[in-house]
Amino acid sequence: AQSVTQPDIHITVSEGASLELRCNYSYGATPYLFWYVQSPGQGLQLLLKYFSGDTLVQGIKGFEAEFKRSQSSFNLRKPSVHWSDAAEYFCAVGAGTGTASKLTFGTGTRLQVTL
Amino acid sequence: DTGVSQNPRHKITKRGQNVTFRCDPISEHNRLYWYRQTLGQGPEFLTYFQNEAQLEKSRLLSDRFSAERPKGSFSTLEIQRTEQGDSAMYLCASRGQSNQPQHFGDGTRLSIL
Repeated sequence: AQSVTQPDIHITVSEGASLELRCNYSYGATPYLFWYVQSPGQGLQLLLKYFSGDTLVQGIKGFEAEFKRSQSSFNLRKPSVHWSDAAEYFCAVGAGTGTASKLTFGTGTRLQVTL
Repeated sequence: DTGVSQNPRHKITKRGQNVTFRCDPISEHNRLYWYRQTLGQGPEFLTYFQNEAQLEKSRLLSDRFSAERPKGSFSTLEIQRTEQGDSAMYLCASRGQSNQPQHFGDGTRLSIL
């Protein structure tokens, strides 16, 4: 069964500082990987996805993530955080095409941004 | 593309009552998913439709839960005889063809008194 671990429950960074959110996955085949962001009381917005190809993927709002198969990781990065980035971030893994591709999520990392 | 729409946004009900939620997916998305999210947790998969066929159900989906997608467009999720443990955010997502990600609605927050 697939699983996702987000080791950091809560992270606080200063506005303008760099950010890295960790994600480790467990999946038997080549995974489909996603990062979603959730503001309080809202649904999930897709930041970026990895299906295949280039292991460094660019997303919206200046975020990027790198797929490292050897480490089973898909960490999210941003070079300079803005106060509006404060939210809950979820990493997810999905099965490949031809299946239901249901997503398995981590427990999330809450990002707090100080001014 | 008007996004995934869920109604109602909030539902407060007494224990033992039945509730029904609706999800309107992005038009032409033939895949539809329901997830449940409790406080401090990530969403957990409940069930999946491809067109009108319900192809997968999680063990989380007890016999008090039923989901339908009668014409392959909107979907409903019904919970019968609600219990305190059903309090959660219920999220709907839809997806188009292969290599497309799931797009989520804003969810329905259920509170059981």
